[in-house]
Amino acid sequence: ETGVTQTPRHLVMGMTNKKSLKCEQHLGHNAMYWYKQSAKKPLELMFVYNFKEQTENNSVPSRFSPECPNSSHLFLHLHTLQPEDSALYLCASSQAWVGGGGQETQYFGPGTRLLVL
Amino acid sequence: GEDVEQSLFLSVREGDSSVINCTYTDSSSTYLYWYKQEPGAGLQLLTYIFSNMDMKQDQRLTVLLNKKDKHLSLRIADTQTGDSAIYFCAESSGTYKYIFGTGTRLKVLA
Repeated sequence: ETGVTQTPRHLVMGMTNKKSLKCEQHLGHNAMYWYKQSAKKPLELMFVYNFKEQTENNSVPSRFSPECPNSSHLFLHLHTLQPEDSALYLCASSQAWVGGGGQETQYFGPGTRLLVL
Repeated sequence: GEDVEQSLFLSVREGDSSVINCTYTDSSSTYLYWYKQEPGAGLQLLTYIFSNMDMKQDQRLTVLLNKKDKHLSLRIADTQTGDSAIYFCAESSGTYKYIFGTGTRLKVLA
């Protein structure tokens, strides 16, 4: 496996279900990201982990819970979601941020297409 | 807040050049990126440019940056049907916070 992989690629869940999205990167990076991509809206940054520490929670509702057990894996735990949470969830990774002024290009996975019924 | 704007659609004939435009508002932008998204796929980095550059060329891709007008463009020479996709412009001021545009859907007509 190379690059950034995400599973599952498609997920349908009811509002009372609990599910998890998984992301794995094989690039030797130490920073990982969750984005939400909705139709006709810019990508929304949700969470950032830098060296396994959460450095950003962009006002995301608590029904989304991230977990970063190590620098290669990132999870997004989902519970009691709403229909408006249906979207493409993209994971990305980059070299870790060790200070300002750097250029740490983000590499994206293929995404998980989530439908909440 | 900071904003990145792109036109929603562009249609070109195969073999012609495509020019996708982007404007941004953040005057402290340090890096500007172009990503490509094909159907059912994630974002693929095409190229990026540092803000002290005016132009960057990479095979069929040419990026032009007008920092004064905060305008970025991506020119694809000899556009092929495989170039049909959504192209996203993004800017960063040197942190992990990328600001993305809404994307331009490029359709290449055979």
